[in-house]
Amino acid sequence: QKEVEQNSGPLSVPEGAIASLNCTYSDRGSQSFFWYRQYSGKSPELIMFIYSNGDKEDGRFTAQLNKASQYVSLLIRDSQPSDSATYLCAVNKGAQKLVFGQGTRLTINP
Amino acid sequence: NAGVTQTPKFQVLKTGQSMTLQCAQDMNHNSMYWYRQDPGMGLRLIYYSASEGTTDKGEVPNGYNVSRLNKREFSLRLESAAPSQTSVYFCASSGGTLHGYTFGSGTRLTVV
Repeated sequence: QKEVEQNSGPLSVPEGAIASLNCTYSDRGSQSFFWYRQYSGKSPELIMFIYSNGDKEDGRFTAQLNKASQYVSLLIRDSQPSDSATYLCAVNKGAQKLVFGQGTRLTINP
Repeated sequence: NAGVTQTPKFQVLKTGQSMTLQCAQDMNHNSMYWYRQDPGMGLRLIYYSASEGTTDKGEVPNGYNVSRLNKREFSLRLESAAPSQTSVYFCASSGGTLHGYTFGSGTRLTVV
């Protein structure tokens, strides 16, 4: 079992709809969780982080964490073509080391 | 702009050649990292340095060495490049658990 698992996609969503990206992790002791966006040929950039169970909202982005189910998700409301990218889920493993999922490729269709 | 600077951006090596990838950050971060990214494999940790003067192996350290030269700089060396080391390499730094990483722009390395 991979430490962090994501559906690799591609996930195709119409413009204006909600995109839902999911991630599961295996280490029940994980404390912090991150979502990165990576455009093709570019480096990952941090868009959200979450530590507590529940929802965290930042503009059109909402991160959701359920530690009991070892599940973290990212919702993108009112999806725009500029949201088309690969989204990487990352989990803190201690000593400030992040373990990354393989990423989900998201395409927003105009 | 503040951030993480990697050099070079592109490199082609012949099998057996050596090279050093350079990384510097100007954010006064304690922790620095080297990852490689391959299609379908995500980002895999090669080495990291939790603070100046310390380095530790990550998930895929074989074939690589690192040096934490000072708080700003963390270099990755390939002593004898192999085609399996063809990848995109990212350096990153972190100011703490709450802040995630800041990534450099990456080095696209091809070993022929």
